Amino acid sequence: TQLLEQSPQFLSIQEGENLTVYCNSSSVFSSLQWYRQEPGEGPVLLVTVVTGGEVKKLKRLTFQFGDARKDSSLHITAAQPGDTGLYLCAGNSASKIIFGSGTRLSIRP
Amino acid sequence: KAGVTQTPRYLIKTRGQQVTLSCSPISGHRSVSWYQQTPGQGLQFLFEYFSETQRNKGNFPGRFSGRQFSNSRSEMNVSTLELGDSALYLCASSFTINEQFFGPGTRLTVL
Repeated sequence: TQLLEQSPQFLSIQEGENLTVYCNSSSVFSSLQWYRQEPGEGPVLLVTVVTGGEVKKLKRLTFQFGDARKDSSLHITAAQPGDTGLYLCAGNSASKIIFGSGTRLSIRP
Repeated sequence: KAGVTQTPRYLIKTRGQQVTLSCSPISGHRSVSWYQQTPGQGLQFLFEYFSETQRNKGNFPGRFSGRQFSNSRSEMNVSTLELGDSALYLCASSFTINEQFFGPGTRLTVL
């Protein structure tokens, strides 16, 4: 069974701090996506990474795909209250999408 | 472009009943996937439909079924509801497997 482990599960930090969320697996994925989900809504796609070692930036968010395409990280610089939400990674393997367990992020003003 | 819509948004049923949820994908998207989200299990893949055919299936019992119509709209059905079926059911449409767009979900409560 393919698994995507996310860490940490919960994170509460002060506004302005930096943070990193990790997504790890023993499986290789052809692509990996990061989503953010707010209460009462569906997940919203933030980014897709495809190439091993790929780094993508979205304003204050930096996404990296591991060289072996088994892991990924999301780094947020100078976190803001609007970054609060559930962050999910999802790996694509053989046309099946596997979701990580999620990281619930809370940013305190 | 209109986003993915799901109806109803909220539903309350009792054990043993059945339920049908509906999903309208983004125009032009032929793939529709369904997920179950619970606090304990996270987001779990139910099935994916493409051009009216089930292309992939997750590890759920046969009580969970779905279908897709020629206009790409999809429905999922759960029969003989159990308390553990209480969850947020999410539908996602995509043009490519790498980019899924989710609807707001249907919150199902089984009493």
